[in-house]
Amino acid sequence: EAQVTQNPRYLITVTGKKLTVTCSQNMNHEYMSWYRQDPGLGLRQIYYSMNVEVTDKGDVPEGYKVSRKEKRNFPLILESPSPNQTSLYFCASSFAGTPYGYTFGSGTRLTVV
Amino acid sequence: GQQLNQSPQSMFIQEGEDVSMNCTSSSIFNTWLWYKQEPGEGPVLLIALYKAGELTSNGRLTAQFGITRKDSFLNISASIPSDVGIYFCAGQLGGGSNYKLTFGKGTLLTVNP
Repeated sequence: EAQVTQNPRYLITVTGKKLTVTCSQNMNHEYMSWYRQDPGLGLRQIYYSMNVEVTDKGDVPEGYKVSRKEKRNFPLILESPSPNQTSLYFCASSFAGTPYGYTFGSGTRLTVV
Repeated sequence: GQQLNQSPQSMFIQEGEDVSMNCTSSSIFNTWLWYKQEPGEGPVLLIALYKAGELTSNGRLTAQFGITRKDSFLNISASIPSDVGIYFCAGQLGGGSNYKLTFGKGTLLTVNP
């Protein structure tokens, strides 16, 4: 089944403790992206990647890092999480140039205390 | 950055009623998309629109890409309880180096059986 898989689904952590949220897709998509969803703000793009070793900032990149060493994986790294990064995170992927195959993962709900 | 104004914010309707929601933008998009999000899941694509003026249906759903490329609407006919969820519009400018989707803030739809 074609899908984007995120792990973990739920995470509670403490301020300053580094964490990684993994994202993997099995559709051979070139393009991958991370969004965060907050009440009243909708979904906002954090980082994106056009292909392996090609990443760039989205609209709200502060406090996040990403890497794209393999085509299928696009982890989101929070080096020193803070409470304002408490949010619902979605990874998405698509073939470059078309939005039709834009597929979202099921989300990771992160709470930073 | 670009912003999408989506309305209404929420709707509470009776089963069998028709629903209409819309999105407007301060700038143009080359693609408009409509997504539905159910609790605990990521957004799922309902309809994609690629051309100004385009009218597209998917079952009981109909969406149109505004002629100015700055707006879109989604209609749901004869609503049923499983239509419950949050509906998002999204615009994509495309081209360049980012296939980012810009999202509206969502319309929460509740259907009373």
